[in-house]
Amino acid sequence: GAGVSQTPSNKVTEKGKYVELRCDPISGHTALYWYRQSLGQGPEFLIYFQGTGAADDSGLPNDRFFAVRPEGSVSTLKIQRTERGDSAVYLCASSPGQGAYNEQFFGPGTRLTVL
Amino acid sequence: AQTVTQSQPEMSVQEAETVTLSCTYDTSESNYYLFWYKQPPSRQMILVIRQEAYKQQNATENRFSVNFQKAAKSFSLKISDSQLGDTAMYFCAFMRRGAQKLVFGQGTRLTINP
Repeated sequence: GAGVSQTPSNKVTEKGKYVELRCDPISGHTALYWYRQSLGQGPEFLIYFQGTGAADDSGLPNDRFFAVRPEGSVSTLKIQRTERGDSAVYLCASSPGQGAYNEQFFGPGTRLTVL
Repeated sequence: AQTVTQSQPEMSVQEAETVTLSCTYDTSESNYYLFWYKQPPSRQMILVIRQEAYKQQNATENRFSVNFQKAAKSFSLKISDSQLGDTAMYFCAFMRRGAQKLVFGQGTRLTINP
């Protein structure tokens, strides 16, 4: 079956611009996660959705970052007034449910470059 | 807060050799899970192996096994009979029981040479 997909695969923008990153989870997966991976680092947690609601947004770095999942499937990560420090690979993952026994399946990521 | 440390930025071995990747973590929790993920150049993270902290028996998945030392907060990954396809970044990760987020280490770049 289809895995987690993310679009675009690469995004180049200018400092101060607004960007949207999309994640299509595996069909039927109720949990969805966003992570950010800076160059040479491991992924860092941003936000977790269970269904339509953000159950844990403790990893969002500031109020320029926002994510939605209005119908409990596709999710969009939105970044306002982008800064050069936002440059990273943004990874999305989904799982059939909550908990460590529900494996998180990752997408290929969106590489965001802020010039 | 939990932290995960991988002290080996890069490792390189010959095909068919055995290699061990190190990971240590810091937590005050008693119930948690540990993971090893593989990230090939395609960037897609793949779960390699999972260990429950309350289980003393080390997890094994085919050529992959772990050495889990709870008291020492150490969780190493052993890859036996290494293959060219094992070349990737490997990340150790922690999840507190009841939480959903993974906390990752910095990664180890493993290269298997022919």
